[in-house]
Amino acid sequence: DAKTTQPPSMDCAEGRAANLPCNHSTISGNEYVYWYRQIHSQGPQYIIHGLKNNETNEMASLIITEDRKSSTLILPHATLRDTAVYYCIVRVSNTGNQFYFGTGTSLTVIP
Amino acid sequence: NAGVTQTPKFQVLKTGQSMTLQCAQDMNHEYMSWYRQDPGMGLRLIHYSVGAGITDQGEVPNGYNVSRSTTEDFPLRLLSAAPSQTSVYFCASSSTTSGRKNEQFFGPGTRLTVL
Repeated sequence: DAKTTQPPSMDCAEGRAANLPCNHSTISGNEYVYWYRQIHSQGPQYIIHGLKNNETNEMASLIITEDRKSSTLILPHATLRDTAVYYCIVRVSNTGNQFYFGTGTSLTVIP
Repeated sequence: NAGVTQTPKFQVLKTGQSMTLQCAQDMNHEYMSWYRQDPGMGLRLIHYSVGAGITDQGEVPNGYNVSRSTTEDFPLRLLSAAPSQTSVYFCASSSTTSGRKNEQFFGPGTRLTVL
């Protein structure tokens, strides 16, 4: 699975959009980009995933560049409850579902 | 649905003791896995299973055993606990066939301290 690079920490004002970047320059054509988050010491929570096209769900949007070497997770209106560590993971979809987490980005939403 | 449940929530062991961390899921998921998370670190995969009777090693399998006799349960055994195994342990499950495949559901974690 390709490695990912994320900034260790970011701040965002409450109510503003939070844009979390992820570099995955060695991604292969059949690897998906996944985002999970971990609030405090809870188990990680799935947010969104995509292959090539931009994706949106009730939690967030995922923007993948055309060359697929980087992506951005967007939380459109950040709230204090979005304070968490966000993990970007790239992996092949059908390889047994095991995930390899990095250290992620610690997002702090400021009132 | 209870989702993924883990017991115990907290455990303190002495070096050399053995114990089993329990994990159960009621979503009929084929895939289950165990991760550990050390302070300030991401999760690291210990063992995983793609179905009853099938298990395989992840990144950090040494010192741990698993078995999968039923779809619902995936216990993690520490054979002889060491201080280096002090960590938070998370169990996860996912479906390999449903529309939400590849979305892993995590349990609340077991906080283990080995003295």
